[in-house]
Amino acid sequence: NAGVTQTPKFQVLKTGQSMTLQCAQDMNHNSMYWYRQDPGMGLRLIYYSASEGTTDKGEVPNGYNVSRLNKREFSLRLESAAPSQTSVYFCASSEARGGGGNTIYFGEGSWLTVV
Amino acid sequence: GNSVTQMEGPVTLSEEAFLTINCTYTATGYPSLFWYVQYPGEGLQLLLKATKADDKGSNKGFEATYRKETTSFHLEKGSVQVSDSAVYFCALSDRGGGGADGLTFGKGTHLIIQP
Repeated sequence: NAGVTQTPKFQVLKTGQSMTLQCAQDMNHNSMYWYRQDPGMGLRLIYYSASEGTTDKGEVPNGYNVSRLNKREFSLRLESAAPSQTSVYFCASSEARGGGGNTIYFGEGSWLTVV
Repeated sequence: GNSVTQMEGPVTLSEEAFLTINCTYTATGYPSLFWYVQYPGEGLQLLLKATKADDKGSNKGFEATYRKETTSFHLEKGSVQVSDSAVYFCALSDRGGGGADGLTFGKGTHLIIQP
């Protein structure tokens, strides 16, 4: 049972470098999400995609871009990494919008350090 | 806007003790409420959920009741085990919300169970 798979698991970047976090789900879910987790802050939504072909900003979108490549894949790109983007990133998916009690399923996380 | 407040901890208990982790929320619509658990080095897993007032979610000995009158969703377990040591997140999803999708999380409660 793969569920939500994200890569890479660990990455160290230099300030100003770019990189893309990849995410894929095999549950035929319509909605996908990217969150970041920081100590004492809980999880905060960066971007989400309610359905294939659509993306919307979440709570903390600055410095990020996303692409919903197809129904399975949702990537997160850092164009010019900054130390403030050091965090743990989680991809997630759900059958439909998060409302109405739909469960959101999470990947195992990507630990990103920007030096 | 939506918000979730939970005790941050760390909460340290002895094995077989009774556990309560408090969670209160503010929401504009009719939220569904969730508890997620994160074990070290892993992603978040759904522990239990409740989708309407007075519903009780339960799983693995944990319970939480959706109390609309007190806007609360406190997590309880009668007898904790060392294996319950983890970070617990309370979250809500506002089915009627017109803003950003996904879940709104509390900051997490780190639970430590000592043998």
